[in-house]
Amino acid sequence: AQSVTQPDIHITVSEGASLELRCNYSYGATPYLFWYVQSPGQGLQLLLKYFSGDTLVQGIKGFEAEFKRSQSSFNLRKPSVHWSDAAEYFCAVGPFNTGGFKTIFGAGTRLFVKA
Amino acid sequence: DAGVIQSPRHEVTEMGQEVTLRCKPISGHDYLFWYRQTMMRGLELLIYFNNNVPIDDSGMPEDRFSAKMPNASFSTLKIQPSEPRDSAVYFCASSLTGDYGYTFGSGTRLTVV
Repeated sequence: AQSVTQPDIHITVSEGASLELRCNYSYGATPYLFWYVQSPGQGLQLLLKYFSGDTLVQGIKGFEAEFKRSQSSFNLRKPSVHWSDAAEYFCAVGPFNTGGFKTIFGAGTRLFVKA
Repeated sequence: DAGVIQSPRHEVTEMGQEVTLRCKPISGHDYLFWYRQTMMRGLELLIYFNNNVPIDDSGMPEDRFSAKMPNASFSTLKIQPSEPRDSAVYFCASSLTGDYGYTFGSGTRLTVV
């Protein structure tokens, strides 16, 4: 069955330190993969997406993610975290064709940034 | 573009009352999704439309929930009658064929007392 797993419920990182958020997926074919960020009281915002080609994908706000087919992973990284990055991050995989497409979201990882 | 617009931002209603949530997708987007977010269940897809036609409503929890999309620029999600367990944040999102990335609205926080 198709699924998305984010193993870490929450992570705390010091400001200026590097960040890696983990995402593993189960999907029967080559997936489309996404990372979204949700700030408190807001909707989700697309950070980046992978469809094909270069397995290292650059996104907004200085984030990048790497697709590793052998590990079924799509981890999100940032070299230096800012306090404004504190939010919840969702990995997603799709599409699932039932006459159209839909995306499955992981449970999310909440990022705390300490000064 | 103003993005995906949802109204109201907050709704407090009494159990048994009818609730209508509204969504205006991004102009030109041909897919519209309704999600519900709770602490216990995370993000759940309720229903989605393509070119105003409902494609998959398997996530609608029960008959009390209904959704319509009368035209390309407007959709509603209705709960009748509402129950306390319907309390959640409801998100609308839109997308374009071939893109697959979603643009979310700011959500409607529904509280049923």
